[in-house]
Amino acid sequence: NAGVMQNPRHLVRRRGQEARLRCSPMKGHSHVYWYRQLPEEGLKFMVYLQKENIIDESGMPKERFSAEFPKEGPSILRIQQVVRGDSAAYFCASSQPGQNTEAFFGQGTRLTVV
Amino acid sequence: GENVEQHPSTLSVQEGDSAVIKCTYSDSASNYFPWYKQELGKRPQLIIDIRSNVGEKKDQRIAVTLNKTAKHFSLHITETQPEDSAVYFCAAEGYSTLTFGKGTMLLVSP
Repeated sequence: NAGVMQNPRHLVRRRGQEARLRCSPMKGHSHVYWYRQLPEEGLKFMVYLQKENIIDESGMPKERFSAEFPKEGPSILRIQQVVRGDSAAYFCASSQPGQNTEAFFGQGTRLTVV
Repeated sequence: GENVEQHPSTLSVQEGDSAVIKCTYSDSASNYFPWYKQELGKRPQLIIDIRSNVGEKKDQRIAVTLNKTAKHFSLHITETQPEDSAVYFCAAEGYSTLTFGKGTMLLVSP
């Protein structure tokens, strides 16, 4: 079991470009969460997805950010028209169905907007 | 939604001392409380968790206590070692998502 895989590990984008972050959950996990971590800050919840469904997107900025978890393939966090303030580490976590189950984190994608 | 407060933000101890990190939460419906350790540049990893049907759980040098009435829970690390140095996050699971505290940077000096 390869664990939660995120790619790329590092991503540099110029202001105004699009950033696509990918997350492949652990085998058997159908729940995916995205978190943003700013330097010396905690993990801020962004969105919670199950296959083909967004369950909770209360932490997502209203504009420029979107997420999906298609039936086949990885979950994608998409940031359009990036700005310097989007620079952060973005972590994906996955868990098995059901409540109170351990969430396993990926290595994160460090996005730098120049 | 859920709000999790974590204290202190930094904690420095001597090797061999104990370390205690405290968290409070706001949603009385939360019933799962994990603790994660994040070393510099690495992913957060679960070190211990507790569910609301128990008040305390221990795993070697690490213990977690939960007071549901007061809505607070704590992490206790005994006989600290330099390799315990990291950022520790508490979290509470409400309806469907984990809400994290802002983290505690623990520094253990040899």
